Amino acid sequence: QVQLVESGGGVVQPGRSLRLSCVASGFTLSDYGMHWVRQAPGKGLEWVALIWNDGSHKYYADSVKGRFTISRDNSKNTLYVQMNSLRVEDTAVYYCARGSGGYFTRFDPWGQGTLVTVSS
Amino acid sequence: QSALTQPASVSGSPGQSITISCTGTSSDVGGYNFVSWYQQNPGKAPKLMIYDVSNRPSGISNRFSGSKSGNTASLTISGLQAEDEADYYCSSYTSSSTQVFGTGTKVTVL
Repeated sequence: QVQLVESGGGVVQPGRSLRLSCVASGFTLSDYGMHWVRQAPGKGLEWVALIWNDGSHKYYADSVKGRFTISRDNSKNTLYVQMNSLRVEDTAVYYCARGSGGYFTRFDPWGQGTLVTVSS
Repeated sequence: QSALTQPASVSGSPGQSITISCTGTSSDVGGYNFVSWYQQNPGKAPKLMIYDVSNRPSGISNRFSGSKSGNTASLTISGLQAEDEADYYCSSYTSSSTQVFGTGTKVTVL
């Protein structure tokens, strides 16, 4: 079945870096755009980044632009996000989601999420 | 990239219908038919309920329906059931080629 599994979360100090991974199974990753979405504790969803199916286009939320980099390795069925210069406000559960439809605007399915805690 | 505006909470009795609004601008909701709705239960990942304003994915009950008028999209749940109690989020494509989510609505079944 279609499945997304995130990993790489943990506790990190402000200013440090972390890389999250999302392994896809049950579908051909290269056919879909992929998103990262985060949710701070007790808060709503916040879109973070999108990468097109072939990696040719990448888009970011203003809150992470210049600090986060989304990438993918279709041969490894894996999506990544490199998070640099982390801030306390980046603390959240990070979800990857498959994007389909026009401009990959349909988020389905989602992974189970991985928790990133930025704290000194 | 301001979040789309949703009511914080909506409630209804079993069997009733409720509607959740999602208000944006002409640069997002009003400009494109790429509005989706997601259901999130506590501690779980969101689940797609409606895409492209009014389309239901396979397996989603026809009690869920979506619409849009101008800069406001709406999700209607008819025949409200206890299992519908959850948080609901809208999302929209934007003129910057990004995505934006709504502020979220907690649905309570009385």
